[in-house]
Amino acid sequence: NAGVTQTPKFQVLKTGQSMTLQCAQDMNHNSMYWYRQDPGMGLRLIYYSASEGTTDKGEVPNGYNVSRLNKREFSLRLESAAPSQTSVYFCASSRDYRQGTDTQYFGPGTRLTVL
Amino acid sequence: AQTVTQSQPEMSVQEAETVTLSCTYDTSESDYYLFWYKQPPSRQMILVIRQEAYKQQNATENRFSVNFQKAAKSFSLKISDSQLGDAAMYFCAYRYQGGSEKLVFGKGTKLTVNP
Repeated sequence: NAGVTQTPKFQVLKTGQSMTLQCAQDMNHNSMYWYRQDPGMGLRLIYYSASEGTTDKGEVPNGYNVSRLNKREFSLRLESAAPSQTSVYFCASSRDYRQGTDTQYFGPGTRLTVL
Repeated sequence: AQTVTQSQPEMSVQEAETVTLSCTYDTSESDYYLFWYKQPPSRQMILVIRQEAYKQQNATENRFSVNFQKAAKSFSLKISDSQLGDAAMYFCAYRYQGGSEKLVFGKGTKLTVNP
C-alpha cells in the first residue's frame, strides 16, 4: 500500500497563477483533509471531506477550493496564488472523522512557493 | 477553543539516552484523543503514539511512551534508548472524541540526537 500520495512534491508559482494539488489514498478511507504548515507553526486545517461527495471549510479556507473527485482522491486548488500561500501543504486521510477512534494518516507534503 | 502548547522549541539528547518532550493542552471537553506525530527531514508526518483520554493507562509503542496527566492537561512523550533516526520535529496534537474533523497541533519540538 502506498498510503497517502501527493503530487507535485515541489512547485513554484508567480502571484496570480493557479494550480491544483493532487492527493490520493489507497486505504479505503472515507474522510480526507488538507492542511498547511507554516514556519514555526503546527498544521492548520484548510478544508476537509467527511465522505465522498461532501466538503467543508476548516480553519483557514480563504483563497482555496477543493474537490472530492471520488473516494480515493481529494484535490486542492489555488485560483489566484498569493505570496501568503507560500507553505507546505499536507493531505491526510482517516477512516471516518465522526468516529471517536479515528486517526489521520498524512501524505509526504507539497512545498509551494509563490513569488 | 482548544489549544496545544509545546514549550520546548528545541531539545537534544545523546544517542542511547532518554529524552522527554513536553506538551500541555487546554480544553473544556472530557473525552478526547491526544497524539504525537514525528516529522523527519523528509517532511512526512508519521504517527508515533495515541492516547485516549478515558484510559488511565499510559500508551506505549516500543521505545516511545507517554505520561498522560489528565487533571494537569499534560501529555509528555518519552523516548528511551534514543537513536539517530529519532531526530525530527515532534508535534503534539489534540482531537475531540465526539467526532471532530480537526486535529489541533502544537508548534513542534525539534529533537536532535547526538552520536
